[in-house]
Amino acid sequence: EADIYQTPRYLVIGTGKKITLECSQTMGHDKMYWYQQDPGMELHLIHYSYGVNSTEKGDLSSESTVSRIRTEHFPLTLESARPSHTSQYLCASRHSSSETQYFGPGTRLLVL
Amino acid sequence: SQKIEQNSEALNIQEGKTATLTCNYTNYSPAYLQWYRQDPGRGPVFLLLIRENEKEKRKERLKVTFDTTLKQSLFHITASQPADSATYLCALGAGNMLTFGGGTRLMVKP
Repeated sequence: EADIYQTPRYLVIGTGKKITLECSQTMGHDKMYWYQQDPGMELHLIHYSYGVNSTEKGDLSSESTVSRIRTEHFPLTLESARPSHTSQYLCASRHSSSETQYFGPGTRLLVL
Repeated sequence: SQKIEQNSEALNIQEGKTATLTCNYTNYSPAYLQWYRQDPGRGPVFLLLIRENEKEKRKERLKVTFDTTLKQSLFHITASQPADSATYLCALGAGNMLTFGGGTRLMVKP
């Protein structure tokens, strides 16, 4: 099991609410990623970070934002959730010396 | 645009047989290719990596081939077991980024 954690695992909220999805890793990895995955579909990169104070948007347009104040922590925030944000969100990390990405268990989000 | 194709239909095989999964891609020149396993409700787990200058890699019952001319990778599981039932994702890598295919669901029946 990889030492990368996501909370909450499941979240049901109403439209317009602000939410933060947490991701932490204890492996000392410098690179971290957020992916969005709908059931049976491919993972789409929405944000990534190469280190502290570094954040970039991924290929898939997303209304979410991220921050990287500490190496081990890479939270994702939705300022105003909408039903179109309903999906699974996966956090991953890797060390610069390796191409292998380690994934967290995911957060399954349902916006009503 | 870049495209990665994995068979979206589930692959059903009998226990003990060899499972072969295909990953085809277009408009891409990956430096390496990875295969991941994903179980329902879980994050993907890394299995194997093969680089553009390698033809074949093995790990226990797993074997992956990479043909950059055909733009194709094949993933084999020999002596398959019901515990191998999962969705298998291929991912093309360049630099710090991975681009994932949609995965193929494998069902191994006892």
